[in-house]
Amino acid sequence: QVNLLQSGAALVKPGASVKLSCKASGYTFTDYYIHWVKQSHGKSLEWIGYINPNSGYTNYNEKFKSKATLTVDKSTNTAYMELSRLTSEDSATYYCTRRGIRGTPLGDYWGQGVMVTVSS
Amino acid sequence: DIQMTQSPSFLSASVGDRVTINCKASQNINRYLNWYQQKLGEAPKLLIYNANSLQTGIPSRFSGSGSGTDFTLTISSLQPEDVATYFCLQHNSWPWTFGGGTKLELK
Repeated sequence: QVNLLQSGAALVKPGASVKLSCKASGYTFTDYYIHWVKQSHGKSLEWIGYINPNSGYTNYNEKFKSKATLTVDKSTNTAYMELSRLTSEDSATYYCTRRGIRGTPLGDYWGQGVMVTVSS
Repeated sequence: DIQMTQSPSFLSASVGDRVTINCKASQNINRYLNWYQQKLGEAPKLLIYNANSLQTGIPSRFSGSGSGTDFTLTISSLQPEDVATYFCLQHNSWPWTFGGGTKLELK
């Protein structure tokens, strides 16, 4: 069955970076774009961007262009998002989800989410 | 960026009620609108895509309608398990944007 397994919660210091992972299983990794979504505590959702696992092509929300870097490792079916120069504004839960390259809708499967806390 | 305005922000209804949630886009998004349900402590779940297509496995009491700038999610007969926050998402133009959410509780 399809599963997107995200790495565990992270406590990081202001100014540091963190790399979140999203390991896909149960489907052909290169058939689906991986998207990342931010949810600040108790608030709405923000679309960060996506990566094409086959080509490595990325498309970012301008708001996150200097904050997030999306990569993949096809050998392990894992997508990564690195967040840099962290501030308290980056404290949130981050989700990975998928959208079919052939047009299936965004979000039929989601990771469980990973909470990032930025604190000294 | 396209702004998505959801209403109401909070909704209280009884089991069996017909519930409607609205989403208004700041510009034409055709039918590129999805609806998600998020229960407390869980990831969002896709309910409706492209305005009115029911995702596989979602109960038929959920339906979506609309096009252009105005969209509606309808729950025909509210069930206790429908208590959640509902979000719309436009995927017509980059960056994709979500509505602010509607928190649905039981009266």
